[in-house]
Amino acid sequence: SQELEQSPQSLIVQEGKNLTINCTSSKTLYGLYWYKQKYGEGLIFLMMLQKGGEEKSHEKITAKLDEKKQQSSLHITASQPSHAGIYLCGADNTGFQKLVFGTGTRLLVSP
Amino acid sequence: NAGVTQTPKFQVLKTGQSMTLQCAQDMNHEYMSWYRQDPGMGLRLIHYSVGAGITDQGEVPNGYNVSRSTTEDFPLRLLSAAPSQTSVYFCASRETGFVETQYFGPGTRLLVL
Repeated sequence: SQELEQSPQSLIVQEGKNLTINCTSSKTLYGLYWYKQKYGEGLIFLMMLQKGGEEKSHEKITAKLDEKKQQSSLHITASQPSHAGIYLCGADNTGFQKLVFGTGTRLLVSP
Repeated sequence: NAGVTQTPKFQVLKTGQSMTLQCAQDMNHEYMSWYRQDPGMGLRLIHYSVGAGITDQGEVPNGYNVSRSTTEDFPLRLLSAAPSQTSVYFCASRETGFVETQYFGPGTRLLVL
């Protein structure tokens, strides 16, 4: 079955600093999804990557999918307290969008 | 649009009790699914449905039943609750075909004593 590992499990950064979260799959991906979850709330879709080497950006968040389509990184530039939450990667390795999720990375941004 | 709604937000059950978690969406999405989220386990797919009258099992279906009589609603039933079912449950929906976005509800926190 699909396994997704996220690293780090938790992260505390000072406001204004950059950070990177990684998501590694044991299988080649049809699609890699990034979600953000605020504490105690549902998931908010951030980005979806499908093609090897693909890179997408939204505001200060950039996600990349490596050429082999087995690893993705999420980079936040100049972090803000509003970036705090749990970041989850989800993988589709069947082509039918039955997503398998990683365990999440908890991000805290200190003022 | 209200999006995906879930009720209740919180629930405490005793072992052996039954209950239904409600999920509704007003986006006319054919695809709906239920996940549970546990510490250190991420989200795991319980059941999903590709349209009214069609359901299938996900990764962790045991102890849960679903039905899909309408496009809008996808209830999740716990027939005999167990402490291992203590979790946060999320319902999600999306359009059919290959789409980027899956919409999640706010979640139901369930505690089974």
